[in-house]
Amino acid sequence: ETGVTQSPTHLIKTRGQQVTLRCSSQSGHNTVSWYQQALGQGPQFIFQYYREEENGRGNFPPRFSGLQFPNYSSELNVNALELDDSALYLCASSPEGGTEGGYTFGSGTRLTVV
Amino acid sequence: AQSVSQHNHHVILSEAASLELGCNYSYGGTVNLFWYVQYPGQHLQLLLKYFSGDPLVKGIKGFEAEFIKSKFSFNLRKPSVQWSDTAEYFCAVSNAGKSTFGDGTTLTVKP
Repeated sequence: ETGVTQSPTHLIKTRGQQVTLRCSSQSGHNTVSWYQQALGQGPQFIFQYYREEENGRGNFPPRFSGLQFPNYSSELNVNALELDDSALYLCASSPEGGTEGGYTFGSGTRLTVV
Repeated sequence: AQSVSQHNHHVILSEAASLELGCNYSYGGTVNLFWYVQYPGQHLQLLLKYFSGDPLVKGIKGFEAEFIKSKFSFNLRKPSVQWSDTAEYFCAVSNAGKSTFGDGTTLTVKP
């Protein structure tokens, strides 16, 4: 069984630019959640996608948006990048819209905004 | 809103010592509880989980955790740690499709 894969692994962007991060969920998982992990902190919930629709959102502004595709892969888009957006972005998949069984995490995308 | 507090930021132990990492959460309703582990250079992995039944749950690699509802706690334990347990450990609480994580505890095990 394949795990969760994320791309790219590292990215450097300039303040004000836009970025797209990609995630392929684990085989058999149709739910994808995105988390932001700042240095020294735990992951913070951005949003979840289930059956191509947003299914819950954390305290992140609208410039953080996402998509889920029919094959359950997902994108995280961030517009108008700010320095504070520098973080590790984690994608996590789970089956059937739930988290009761826990997540399978990807290795993350390290975003640096300069 | 739910929140998770991990009491220890960094724990240093010698091999064969016993481990207990504290985790407290705040949420009044039914929650699912998790411990995740991140070994150096690897991604977050599920260590163990609790949603109902026996409050003492066993996970991989000899870890266990006890859910004490009255104390809103879900502490992680291992009777005898190994050097390979060096990692960062995250407690998480899940409800309504969203998981809230603590800030993690870094465990260093000295050989």
